[in-house]
Amino acid sequence: ETGVTQTPRHLVMGMTNKKSLKCEQHLGHNAMYWYKQSAKKPLELMFVYNFKEQTENNSVPSRFSPECPNSSHLFLHLHTLQPEDSALYLCASSQGLGMDGYTFGSGTRLTVV
Amino acid sequence: AQTVTQSQPEMSVQEAETVTLSCTYDTSESDYYLFWYKQPPSRQMILVIRQEAYKQQNATENRFSVNFQKAAKSFSLKISDSQLGDAAMYFCAYRSAKLGGTSYGKLTFGQGTILTVHP
Repeated sequence: ETGVTQTPRHLVMGMTNKKSLKCEQHLGHNAMYWYKQSAKKPLELMFVYNFKEQTENNSVPSRFSPECPNSSHLFLHLHTLQPEDSALYLCASSQGLGMDGYTFGSGTRLTVV
Repeated sequence: AQTVTQSQPEMSVQEAETVTLSCTYDTSESDYYLFWYKQPPSRQMILVIRQEAYKQQNATENRFSVNFQKAAKSFSLKISDSQLGDAAMYFCAYRSAKLGGTSYGKLTFGQGTILTVHP
């Protein structure tokens, strides 16, 4: 596989559940990102990892916990979410500082019930 | 902080015609990058075109071209000979050229414009 792959594609979870989103890139990129896409709002940057080190946490609630075990894999661990956390979660990667743009995955559509 | 504004929530165009999507941005920086992304129903964001702020020449990619007006902080996308496959949500995005700090790696997106192409 090439590009950025996200699993699962859809996820429905209760507010007391714990789940994880997975992102994998096979492009040799060194930076990975989590973005949140809600209806009628611009994409919001959540986390940035560069060479496995978290370089930005954009004031994201602690119920979202990222993990980057290596430069090819990125996880977003979810626990005790709220219904307003329902959104499309997009993973992206870039080579270097992203001056050439990002490569995005197809996202995980999360519904919190 | 930088902001990106797309003032057209929806646009439509006839197949084979030309359409222009608007984008304005606000920044105090002189060096930066601008992008247009396309998000079809498959949800994957696809890079359409990229512009470097220090280059005066407008970027072009086949049927896609931009009108970059740095002084006006405007970055519009023109799609020529529109095709049914162009139907999607289009996002304008800004990226600082700074190598560090709080803007590291961050793309700032506009709200998006839904483009409908009529056969």
